[in-house]
Amino acid sequence: KAGVTQTPRYLIKTRGQQVTLSCSPISGHRSVSWYQQTPGQGLQFLFEYFSETQRNKGNFPGRFSGRQFSNSRSEMNVSTLELGDSALYLCASSLVGSKTGELFFGEGSRLTVL
Amino acid sequence: EDQVTQSPEALRLQEGESSSLNCSYTVSGLRGLFWYRQDPGKGPEFLFTLYSAGEEKEKERLKATLTKKESFLHITAPKPEDSATYLCAVIPGNEKLTFGTGTRLTIIP
Repeated sequence: KAGVTQTPRYLIKTRGQQVTLSCSPISGHRSVSWYQQTPGQGLQFLFEYFSETQRNKGNFPGRFSGRQFSNSRSEMNVSTLELGDSALYLCASSLVGSKTGELFFGEGSRLTVL
Repeated sequence: EDQVTQSPEALRLQEGESSSLNCSYTVSGLRGLFWYRQDPGKGPEFLFTLYSAGEEKEKERLKATLTKKESFLHITAPKPEDSATYLCAVIPGNEKLTFGTGTRLTIIP
């Protein structure tokens, strides 16, 4: 059974640019959640989607957005990149949602903003 | 504000030397507490879910316990392959999964 796939794995952008990250969940999983991981702050919740609907949102500015498609694949977008957006962005999928805690994470997309 | 604090930040143990990692939390309406393991360059891997005080879960050399204010991850006779960062997370009433910053565990052969 294939795991959670995130693309791209690594990317470098400059301030002011925008970026789109992609996540393909485990087959049959309808929930996808996104997290930002930095050395100082740890893992911070960005948002969660279930069956194409945003179910919950973390405390991030509006520059961070996401969506989920009918096949459960999800994308997140960060516009007007800032240096502080450099981080590992992790996607996780689950059958029924993150509140069960049993999430399956991808290996992440490492974003560097110069 | 919901908070999760893990201690110590880093722990070095000799192979076979048992110890415990701590996760203390302050949340509104705890719905569950979870432990994950994260290896370098990888995403976290789910280990345990605990729902109520007094609950315990075990998996190989790991045992997780929960009280009303904290959780412990006990590691018995660890091996080098147990080296990883261990993350604790909680689901509060707002259902936004909140993580601690982790304990980096190193087991020395």
